[in-house]
Amino acid sequence: NAGVTQTPKFQVLKTGQSMTLQCAQDMNHEYMSWYRQDPGMGLRLIHYSVGAGITDQGEVPNGYNVSRSTTEDFPLRLLSAAPSQTSVYFCASSFGRITEAFFGQGTRLTVV
Amino acid sequence: AQTVTQSQPEMSVQEAETVTLSCTYDTSENNYYLFWYKQPPSRQMILVIRQEAYKQQNATENRFSVNFQKAAKSFSLKISDSQLGDTAMYFCALPYGGSQGNLIFGKGTKLSVKP
Repeated sequence: NAGVTQTPKFQVLKTGQSMTLQCAQDMNHEYMSWYRQDPGMGLRLIHYSVGAGITDQGEVPNGYNVSRSTTEDFPLRLLSAAPSQTSVYFCASSFGRITEAFFGQGTRLTVV
Repeated sequence: AQTVTQSQPEMSVQEAETVTLSCTYDTSENNYYLFWYKQPPSRQMILVIRQEAYKQQNATENRFSVNFQKAAKSFSLKISDSQLGDTAMYFCALPYGGSQGNLIFGKGTKLSVKP
């Protein structure tokens, strides 16, 4: 039972590079989300999805794209990395709209 | 707008003692859950305890319990018999309203348990 799997765990990018953070869950959850965690800021919502083919913006969406072609996968794309995107990124999934979220192990991203 | 506020950025407690972490929130929802998550140095987000707003009884999970005051919109976490492994960041969280299925988090409290 893998739960929520994120890859990679660590990544260093140069300014302007693009990359995709992968997220997969095997719990058949409809709801999936991406958060970023910065020191002193808690976790903030980037993008979310309420089902395959449906995505929407969260609190801090600029510079990120998402898609949801299957229930299991919810990748996060950085189009042109900037130092301000240096952060720890978490993918999460949940069964219902008001239930607890299950988190991946996080990706520490550094943009230089 | 929904908000979650944790007013204690850092706290410390001696091993085996009791500590209480504070959280206040605001929501217009009537039926909701509240959560406490723990984030140890490993970075993993771990659910500690959940409370259903329509239940008057405070939730308890082993050494962890909450004091839920719905009218005051307060949701504090009490850790009894603190252990070194309780050293972590603790986040209070509330689901966003509507159909989003996401959580809004407080800024966290860094708890250090001292031997």
